[in-house]
Amino acid sequence: DVVLTQTPPTLSATIGQSVSISCRSSQSLLHSNGNTYLHWLLQRPGQSPQLLIYLVSRLESGVPNRFSGSGSGTDFTLKISGVEAEDLGVYYCVQGTHAPDTFGAGTKLELK
Amino acid sequence: QVQLKESGPGLVQPSETLSLTCTVSGFSLTSYSVSWVRQPSGKGPEWMGRMWYDGDTAYNSALKSRLSISRDTSKNQVFLKMNSLQTDDTGTYYCTRDRVIRGFDYWGQGVMVTVSS
Repeated sequence: DVVLTQTPPTLSATIGQSVSISCRSSQSLLHSNGNTYLHWLLQRPGQSPQLLIYLVSRLESGVPNRFSGSGSGTDFTLKISGVEAEDLGVYYCVQGTHAPDTFGAGTKLELK
Repeated sequence: QVQLKESGPGLVQPSETLSLTCTVSGFSLTSYSVSWVRQPSGKGPEWMGRMWYDGDTAYNSALKSRLSISRDTSKNQVFLKMNSLQTDDTGTYYCTRDRVIRGFDYWGQGVMVTVSS
């Protein structure tokens, strides 16, 4: 199975600070059809996960544009340009290129 | 609007079978796939299996021998059955709408399942 390694495991930030989360895959996530099925989710405390970004860099409807995704192959990054209080929680990358779908272990974003 | 809701017992005895139901609204099970994802407390999620929109199924090989997913399209429901439960099967179980391009774009509220005698 594909292993997704997220760093850092915990991230402390102040409101307004820009932060980045890395997700590194054990295999290339480029599918033979040309798509890269790497997505990002946010799980706020006590809530279900929600989709933020799909196909590496496409913003899900209703998600603020301070979130952005980038990367290719095996290295991917989620950036938050100006953290807001509602962004606190655990971020997960998830891949669907190779069966079975697998998730990273998560990065917890907390207030400094 | 799109909604998914899991239901089922909160407590299961070791070695028993877990049965969960996911009731969906706002979309058709014949147009969208639904996956089951579980999450042990304090850990990352694990994809368990998928009911494809065409009725086909896919399972995580780690669970395949114990897991069965089915559906009743007339009732807008997807079912999960997993046998031989052990304590490490304890966690929150979610059903999610599953789109190939977008991944898991809608999630249910989850149901907490504890395996204990």
